Amino acid sequence: ETGVTQTPRHLVMGMTNKKSLKCEQHLGHNAMYWYKQSAKKPLELMFVYSLEERVENNSVPSRFSPECPNSSHLFLHLHTLQPEDSALYLCASSQEGVNTEAFFGQGTRLTVV
Amino acid sequence: GENVEQHPSTLSVQEGDSAVIKCTYSDSASNYFPWYKQELGKRPQLIIDIRSNVGEKKDQRIAVTLNKTAKHFSLHITETQPEDSAVYFCAASPSLGGSYIPTFGRGTSLIVHP
Repeated sequence: ETGVTQTPRHLVMGMTNKKSLKCEQHLGHNAMYWYKQSAKKPLELMFVYSLEERVENNSVPSRFSPECPNSSHLFLHLHTLQPEDSALYLCASSQEGVNTEAFFGQGTRLTVV
Repeated sequence: GENVEQHPSTLSVQEGDSAVIKCTYSDSASNYFPWYKQELGKRPQLIIDIRSNVGEKKDQRIAVTLNKTAKHFSLHITETQPEDSAVYFCAASPSLGGSYIPTFGRGTSLIVHP
């Protein structure tokens, strides 16, 4: 285990549903990320939170809404998704101010039907 | 922003051969270059990294080289084994107002045939 835990591991949702993905890190890091992994774009950065403030929003549609209540937790709220949003969503964390590796969670496999 | 190109997208080798994966980056401010390995169904994990004050780094069968002038860096795996089969990602991290946000290449699927 890398200290980054994501739940759920698998999620199937309809286009009208609302669901949330959760990420928790126990590494004492203060930067957290959401990545989308699909066949088209293997590791696409979505959002970055540094010291609980969003510092990067990589042109992500508003149907994805991130939330970072504290430095250990990161959520991705989903609503009215499209089938093309089906992908593996990976959370990662790192230590702000020090250029070191990112630790990834196991990911949530999302299927939109 | 940073742009990282990675080649090849697929690499097939025989067990015991060497494998080389190459990446280029665009932002001269990038100063940290990690390589991640992602096995099927698993998360990406760091295997080796290099910083801009170093030209080469080696860890057993894997090595990474960096050419800052040309803005390219490479991963070298010698004496490949079937368990090296995975997707490998390079990344470059420039500083963005004190934040280091890694930008990843598109990945290389390495297949090692026994």
